Order: sequence, then C-alpha cells, then structure tokens
Amino acid sequence: EAQVTQNPRYLITVTGKKLTVTCSQNMNHEYMSWYRQDPGLGLRQIYYSMNVEVTDKGDVPEGYKVSRKEKRNFPLILESPSPNQTSLYFCASSLRLATSHEQYFGPGTRLTVT
Amino acid sequence: AQKITQTQPGMFVQEKEAVTLDCTYDTSDPSYGLFWYKQPSSGEMIFLIYQGSYDQQNATEGRYSLNFQKARKSANLVISASQLGDSAMYFCAMRGRSSYKLIFGSGTRLLVRP
Repeated sequence: EAQVTQNPRYLITVTGKKLTVTCSQNMNHEYMSWYRQDPGLGLRQIYYSMNVEVTDKGDVPEGYKVSRKEKRNFPLILESPSPNQTSLYFCASSLRLATSHEQYFGPGTRLTVT
Repeated sequence: AQKITQTQPGMFVQEKEAVTLDCTYDTSDPSYGLFWYKQPSSGEMIFLIYQGSYDQQNATEGRYSLNFQKARKSANLVISASQLGDSAMYFCAMRGRSSYKLIFGSGTRLLVRP
C-alpha cells in the first residue's frame, strides 16, 4: 500500500530533550516536506527536500533540523524542544515538485513540549 | 506573495443537501495548482480534488466538484448530497510554479446534521 508513515504518532516531552520524528514513504517520491499545524493558522511549511541531500528552509524553520540521506526517509529533528513547538506535525511527499502533483500526507505526529 | 483565504470558519449543512466551501487565492504565478484536503477528527489529511490554473473545465471527483473562477481568483469546493461522514475540517491549498510548498488556508469546519 502506498503510504507515508510517521513515528511516533503522539509524543509528550520536556523542554530541551532532543527528539526525532521519523517520516518514510514507499512511493519513490522525490519531494518531501514537513508542516506544522496550529489552530487558526492552517499548515505551515518547516522544511522541504527536493531529493536526496537537497533540503531547504520553509516558512518556520527555527528550532528544527532535517536530513535526507535516503530517498524514502526525511526525519525531523528538534535539538532542544521548547513549548512553542507544541503542535501537530505532518510529513508529506509528492512524486516531484509540480503544480499538478498532490502531496500525500502522513498520519500526523502530535507533539507536546512541557 | 501567495495567499489562500477561507472566510468561513464553520458551516452547517443538512444531510443530503449540497454545500459550498469558499476559497479565494492570490498569486502572481501564471501557472499554479489548487487543491482541497479534508481533515477528519482523526487528524489525517486526505486529498480530495485538484484544479490546474490552465484547466478549461472545473474538476470533479465523485461528489466533490471545484467551482473555479479564475478571474475572481476563487476555487470553491462543492460537496453534493452531504453525508454524515463529510463532517470534518476542509483546507484549500495552492502551489505556484515558482513555489516550493503548498500554501494552506485556515480551514473551514463543516458539520453535517442528520
């Protein structure tokens, strides 16, 4: 089954404790992206990747890191989480970056930082 | 700058009736794609329908259709014969050819009454 998977689905952590949210897709997609969703703000892009070893900042990259060592994986790293990073996070992928290519979303990771 | 505006924070519709969810957009890109996603209470993002800026006809996918009025920069989603399972948050999104991300609106919460 074609899908984007994220782990963990739920995470409660404390300020400053490094964490990684994994994202994996099995569709051989070139483009992957991370978004965060906050009430009233819709989804905002954190980072994106056009292909292996090619990543760039989105609208809200502060406090996050990413890597793309393999085509299928695009982990999101929070080196020192803070309470303002409490949010619902989505990983997404699409075949390529074309206006007609819809993005497939993972199930979401609900992160709470206390 | 690119922007998506959804002016209806919440809407009600009676089961089996049609409903229109509004979306207006702003972009300077001559080529762009417009998308609608559904987010049920379980949280996942489900792709519904796509409209290309050069498409002559309005897109349709089952009970979903997109009322695309390019001159007005609007891309309203029409759901025909509403079902209880249509109760969800709906997001309009856009990607311009020069952009590396989807721009999302703030969403419309639809509640279908039995």
